[in-house]
Amino acid sequence: QKEVEQDPGPLSVPEGAIVSLNCTYSNSAFQYFMWYRQYSRKGPELLMYTYSSGNKEDGRFTAQVDKSSKYISLFIRDSQPSDSATYLCAIGGGGNKLTFGTGTQLKVEL
Amino acid sequence: SAVISQKPSRDICQRGTSLTIQCQVDSQVTMMFWYRQQPGQSLTLIATANQGSEATYESGFVIDKFPISRPNLTFSTLTVSNMSPEDSSIYLCSVVEDMQQPQHFGDGTRLSIL
Repeated sequence: QKEVEQDPGPLSVPEGAIVSLNCTYSNSAFQYFMWYRQYSRKGPELLMYTYSSGNKEDGRFTAQVDKSSKYISLFIRDSQPSDSATYLCAIGGGGNKLTFGTGTQLKVEL
Repeated sequence: SAVISQKPSRDICQRGTSLTIQCQVDSQVTMMFWYRQQPGQSLTLIATANQGSEATYESGFVIDKFPISRPNLTFSTLTVSNMSPEDSSIYLCSVVEDMQQPQHFGDGTRLSIL
């Protein structure tokens, strides 16, 4: 079993839709949780990070962590074509090391 | 956040040669990392670049194949040695500005081996 599992997609939604991206993890020692967005031919760009269970909101983006279920989600409201990218979850333990999911490719269509 | 520049952005190399990738940051950072991103796969940590000492390598990666230097708090290099087609990948540098802060990435080096 991989330490971090992420549905690879691809996921295609109409503009304005609510998008839900999800990851599960196996190691209960993981302490912090991140979402990165990666456009084609670019490096991963940090979107959200949190250290605790619950919700964290930033504009149209909401990160949700459920440590008891080892499940994290990223919600995108009012999705835009500019949100079309690959979304990577990343989960960390000690030493600032991160374990990444394989990424979910999202396309938001007009 | 810090501005991270990687050079070259892409290269096509011959089998058996070596290539050195540079990562320059516009401010001093606490930690620097090197990752590999292969098509359809997640980012894999190669090593942590330690300032003034040998890098710390992850399982499956060795210094002879991926020598790393970090002479100061703003610069690091990764060399991919004796390249084969299996080394074709994107190589990414990331940094942590302060402990307990998230990692930020450069745009990567796209490497193809013929």
